[in-house]
Amino acid sequence: GQQVMQIPQYQHVQEGEDFTTYCNSSTTLSNIQWYKQRPGGHPVFLIQLVKSGEVKKQKRLTFQFGEAKKNSSLHITATQTTDVGTYFCAIDNYQLIWGAGTKLIIKP
Amino acid sequence: DTAVSQTPKYLVTQMGNDKSIKCEQNLGHDTMYWYKQDSKKFLKIMFSYNNKELIINETVPNRFSPKSPDKAHLNLHINSLELGDSAVYFCASSQASSGTGNTIYFGEGSWLTVV
Repeated sequence: GQQVMQIPQYQHVQEGEDFTTYCNSSTTLSNIQWYKQRPGGHPVFLIQLVKSGEVKKQKRLTFQFGEAKKNSSLHITATQTTDVGTYFCAIDNYQLIWGAGTKLIIKP
Repeated sequence: DTAVSQTPKYLVTQMGNDKSIKCEQNLGHDTMYWYKQDSKKFLKIMFSYNNKELIINETVPNRFSPKSPDKAHLNLHINSLELGDSAVYFCASSQASSGTGNTIYFGEGSWLTVV
């Protein structure tokens, strides 16, 4: 079945550094969603990308959908402690197929 | 008001016991789900119901039995609990079962520990 690969599994950054997570599929996607799960919390919807080459911003977060609609990225500029958590991508193929998540850890 | 609410939030029980987790959504959504999240944070769908009808039934031991009395409720009953059942179980809902714009709304999770 269709799968989505998400990397890296973890990313350790100093507060103020940037963070990026990537999702890749071998097939063309109709859309991709991004969710954030805070430690001890539940996944919360962030955004959906539908169009080829689409770029959307939410404050320090930038979401991109590849031109071929096979990959997507989430980039956080100047991370803050409030950004800590696990970021998931999810693709819609009859049911949502979830990436494995990237855990953002801020070094003490 | 909480959009998707599930109870209990925490559950510690012994192996072999039977337990239930209840879920309710007040969003008027047609589709509800049960997800299992293990210690590595993998989100695995277990079941999906659309208007009370089972539409997704992933490879889950038959000790797990979902029940949807109406489209606003989806409960999960687990028989003969095993150590490997320890996980966080999330109830969720969405407007439709698939398609563009099918945002998933999660409950806060039920943390099950089997000892």
